Amino acid sequence: AQKVTQAQTEISVVEKEDVTLDCVYETRDTTYYLFWYKQPPSGELVFLIRRNSFDEQNEISGRYSWNFQKSTSSFNFTITASQVVDSAVYFCALSEANFGNEKLTFGTGTRLTIIP
Amino acid sequence: EPEVTQTPSHQVTQMGQEVILRCVPISNHLYFYWYRQILGQKVEFLVSFYNNEISEKSEIFDDQFSVERPDGSNFTLKIRSTKLEDSAMYFCAISGTRDYNEQFFGPGTRLTVL
Repeated sequence: AQKVTQAQTEISVVEKEDVTLDCVYETRDTTYYLFWYKQPPSGELVFLIRRNSFDEQNEISGRYSWNFQKSTSSFNFTITASQVVDSAVYFCALSEANFGNEKLTFGTGTRLTIIP
Repeated sequence: EPEVTQTPSHQVTQMGQEVILRCVPISNHLYFYWYRQILGQKVEFLVSFYNNEISEKSEIFDDQFSVERPDGSNFTLKIRSTKLEDSAMYFCAISGTRDYNEQFFGPGTRLTVL
């Protein structure tokens, strides 16, 4: 069985500060995918990133960066120089690579509030 | 990024009534999913649909739920006799365009059961 843990329920930081959202996962598969989604107050789920289990390279996209460490089963997300528009709930998710069924298992989410 | 629309955006119904939620992908996709998010909680998998068949369903997806793709385009989720605890946001997701494992979500339908 797969499981995703986001231990931080809520985080508040002042604008322009850096913030890291933690994600720890459990799976028995050797091939799997990790995701981050953003859910702004409007409610939609916005895809941010997908990583496969064979690629441990860190990724940077603008102010966003992701640190994937298989040794600790973690896939952490850092926002640099945070902005008010970053305020949202962020979900980490896991998918096992079963052809025809790529269901996502989500964590409970971290509510990020950026204080102006 | 593939687009997915869902209708209606908000549905209010009485307990015991049937509801049908619709998902319309803009382009052809292979895999379809329904997820549910009770207010303030995490997103939960309901069912996956591939090649006009259910691939997997969760324990939430009991006999009250059904899915189909009646016209080869729309993907529907039917709840036969709604309960108060069915009140939630329902998301349709698609994958199977350039990358099977990249799921894109529709904007969701908020279902309120009174």
